[in-house]
Amino acid sequence: EADIYQTPRYLVIGTGKKITLECSQTMGHDKMYWYQQDPGMELHLIHYSYGVNSTEKGDLSSESTVSRIRTEHFPLTLESARPSHTSQYLCASSDPQGGATNEKLFFGSGTQLSVL
Amino acid sequence: SQQGEEDPQALSIQEGENATMNCSYKTSINNLQWYRQNSGRGLVHLILIRSNEREKHSGRLRVTLDTSKKSSSLLITASRAADTASYFCTSTSGTYKYIFGTGTRLKVLA
Repeated sequence: EADIYQTPRYLVIGTGKKITLECSQTMGHDKMYWYQQDPGMELHLIHYSYGVNSTEKGDLSSESTVSRIRTEHFPLTLESARPSHTSQYLCASSDPQGGATNEKLFFGSGTQLSVL
Repeated sequence: SQQGEEDPQALSIQEGENATMNCSYKTSINNLQWYRQNSGRGLVHLILIRSNEREKHSGRLRVTLDTSKKSSSLLITASRAADTASYFCTSTSGTYKYIFGTGTRLKVLA
């Protein structure tokens, strides 16, 4: 059972609002990731972090920002939500304790965001 | 970063039948992994096969890896309605960015 949690599970919000999607993991993993996924489509990596105070942009350009002040916490923020931000956002973490050849991802349940 | 491309895009079978889906990738890898995603949920890790392995089993799952063809296959034997989900492959090689394709949508009919 993965110990990675995302809140809220669903969020419906109006255009222009500032939102923060929460992601926390209790496994002590250094690496964390945010993916964006539209229904039936591929996952797009939008942000990742290798540890505290480390954040990088992913392969898909995103207007969101992230922070990593604590190992267990990796929130994603949208300063001004728009309808084009409507999507599912998935948080994940990984840790190569067994070496890079054995590393795997643990995912949260996701946040379904709808911007009206 | 690596790209996992799954094939077919969608598969519909009867309960009890076997389901086979394929994955291709582009460059050398440390390992290749398969994940399952139930509708509207996060992904769940199913099985990992290292680059020096050719076949691996886990319950009703069988994964093969052909590094010369840069491809992998996932076989689910004796499928059940609960296996209905999307299946994704991904791989890593030195970097820690996991890139996913569009997945194979499997539907198992009761």
